[in-house]
Amino acid sequence: EVEMLESGGGLVQPGGSLRLSCAASGFPFRIYAMTWVRQAPGKGLEWVSTISGGGDSTYYADSVRGRFTISRDDSKNSLYLLMSSLRAEDTAVYYCARYSPSDYIYWGVGTLVTVSS
Amino acid sequence: DIQMTQSPSSLSASVGDTVTITCRASQGIDNYLAWFQQRPGKAPKCLIYGASSLDSAVPPKFSGIRSGTDFTLTITGLQPEDFATYYCQQYTNYPFTFGGGTKVEIK
Repeated sequence: EVEMLESGGGLVQPGGSLRLSCAASGFPFRIYAMTWVRQAPGKGLEWVSTISGGGDSTYYADSVRGRFTISRDDSKNSLYLLMSSLRAEDTAVYYCARYSPSDYIYWGVGTLVTVSS
Repeated sequence: DIQMTQSPSSLSASVGDTVTITCRASQGIDNYLAWFQQRPGKAPKCLIYGASSLDSAVPPKFSGIRSGTDFTLTITGLQPEDFATYYCQQYTNYPFTFGGGTKVEIK
């Protein structure tokens, strides 16, 4: 069974940093591109970043480029999102997700990040 | 960026009704279109991927169809657990983009 569990969320001050983790299981993690998506309170869904299988390529939303860094450790079946220079508008639930061109799309349960002083 | 225009933004329906939600892409996305259901306080769940493919765990009351750059989600025989917010998303080009959502409420 495919499972993804995010962790690392919490309260952080504006300008601060936070690292999110996503532990994946139930599928050959290393061959899949992995994605972060977020949802601000009461708002819609926003794609944040994707890293290719193997980690050679990364993609970012304009709203986070230069501040967020996506990475993966295939030996640990884990996905990460390092968030720096955080702003109030980064407050959201962050989900990790597995997308594939020809397969079901799996999402985790999310972790809440609150940026506030 | 590819824009996804989803309509309606909300609708009211009764138990047993059939409802239709549409999404239009601003350019061709082939079949790289997914539909998600989000119940209050819960994570989104994929209902349909590849425009019309259902996972085995998703009941066949949900169906998706593509016509060019127009995509439709149909839910037949609405049940109380189906009252939720539904989103479409294209995943052919970065940035992946979502529709604005459709809230399905009980009439």
